[in-house]
Amino acid sequence: IQLTQSPSLLSASVGDRVTLSCKGSQNINNYLAWYQQKLGQAPKLLIYKTNNLQTGIPSRFSGSGSGTDYTLTISSLHSEDLATYYCCQYNNGYTFGAGTKLELK
Amino acid sequence: QVQLKESGPGLVQPSQTLSLTCTVSGFPLTDYNVHWVRQPPGKALEWMGKMRYNGDTYYNSVFKSRLSISRDTSKSQVFLNLNMLQIEDTAIYYCTRRGYFEYWGQGVMVTVSS
Repeated sequence: IQLTQSPSLLSASVGDRVTLSCKGSQNINNYLAWYQQKLGQAPKLLIYKTNNLQTGIPSRFSGSGSGTDYTLTISSLHSEDLATYYCCQYNNGYTFGAGTKLELK
Repeated sequence: QVQLKESGPGLVQPSQTLSLTCTVSGFPLTDYNVHWVRQPPGKALEWMGKMRYNGDTYYNSVFKSRLSISRDTSKSQVFLNLNMLQIEDTAIYYCTRRGYFEYWGQGVMVTVSS
């Protein structure tokens, strides 16, 4: 299963509502996770099974989707959210998307 | 407290074998799957393979027969061996727990160069 993330680069301002997209080449059956990776750090799990918030992750992060199309939403962007975001499917093997880099406008 | 920590050589020559160790704490290897994921500089993450809680192993077909994963449950360690190294194997190598990668090690940078 291939994953396509869009956009590859997103410029936004603090306080903005931000939406990141992840599309699979076939049905993922909701086995989709999202990770945040800051420069020089390991990835951090944000969301698993499409819409389950990992413990300790702020509620401004949310996930949705079904079938082949999935979305990560940040309801109000904080400066510490600037990072690269990866989606990953674990329905059939494991594959990651190429990432969306979120930067300040 | 769940922790994973990778260790191994920072520099390996082409055609040689890379051996990495993931030492875990806070959980038994007999209860959870441990995966290896790598990330070439400036590039995306790539799943390499996993050691299941029951000792079974699964590998990304991209690595064909170059990759093997093993473990020592008494030492809470999972091992990665990747042979016939190429320059393209230069990457940060992570070990991570469970199918949706809930906990990650800090990663170990491996450079393949002569």
